[in-house]
Amino acid sequence: NAGVTQTPKFRVLKTGQSMTLLCAQDMNHEYMYWYRQDPGMGLRLIHYSVGEGTTAKGEVPDGYNVSRLKKQNFLLGLESAAPSQTSVYFCASRSDSRNSPLHFGNGTRLTVT
Amino acid sequence: RKEVEQDPGPFNVPEGATVAFNCTYSNSASQSFFWYRQDCRKEPKLLMSVYSSGNEDGRFTAQLNRASQYISLLIRDSKLSDSATYLCVVNRGGYNFNKFYFGSGTKLNVKP
Repeated sequence: NAGVTQTPKFRVLKTGQSMTLLCAQDMNHEYMYWYRQDPGMGLRLIHYSVGEGTTAKGEVPDGYNVSRLKKQNFLLGLESAAPSQTSVYFCASRSDSRNSPLHFGNGTRLTVT
Repeated sequence: RKEVEQDPGPFNVPEGATVAFNCTYSNSASQSFFWYRQDCRKEPKLLMSVYSSGNEDGRFTAQLNRASQYISLLIRDSKLSDSATYLCVVNRGGYNFNKFYFGSGTKLNVKP
């Protein structure tokens, strides 16, 4: 059971480059999330989705876009990377059952130079 | 005031010790509570959900005190492999069902 899978695991970008992070879950979860984790800041929500075809902004959405064309996939895009986007990115999913927990992917470590 | 507050530690304990962490939350309407463990440079992994009546999973016991708005995690007979950062996570539920609030984590070091 793969759970939540993120690709790539590591990436180095130059300022201004673009990239897409892919998150895939095989648990048939309705809800999916993108977080970033920075030292001393904890986990912060970037964007989330409550179902196929829907997306919503989280706490720190600027500089990122997302899409959820298929229920199992949630893509996070950086159109023009900035050094401030150097971080570890975690995707998570959960079922729509009350009190269901988040299940995290193994993370993408992104460095923007 | 932060939504969720934890003592950052580190807690340095010998193998076999019992250690307890507390986490306080600010919103009395919070409905779901969780403990996650996070190893260095890895993703958070669910350790246990916390239920109103308290719950136990092997060496781990979680308690919820709604009146005082805190949850606790007790680890008995600590193992070297318990060394990690423990995150307290709270969900408000209801209209805010997609808002999860994370503590900054409590670091545990179990020494031989």
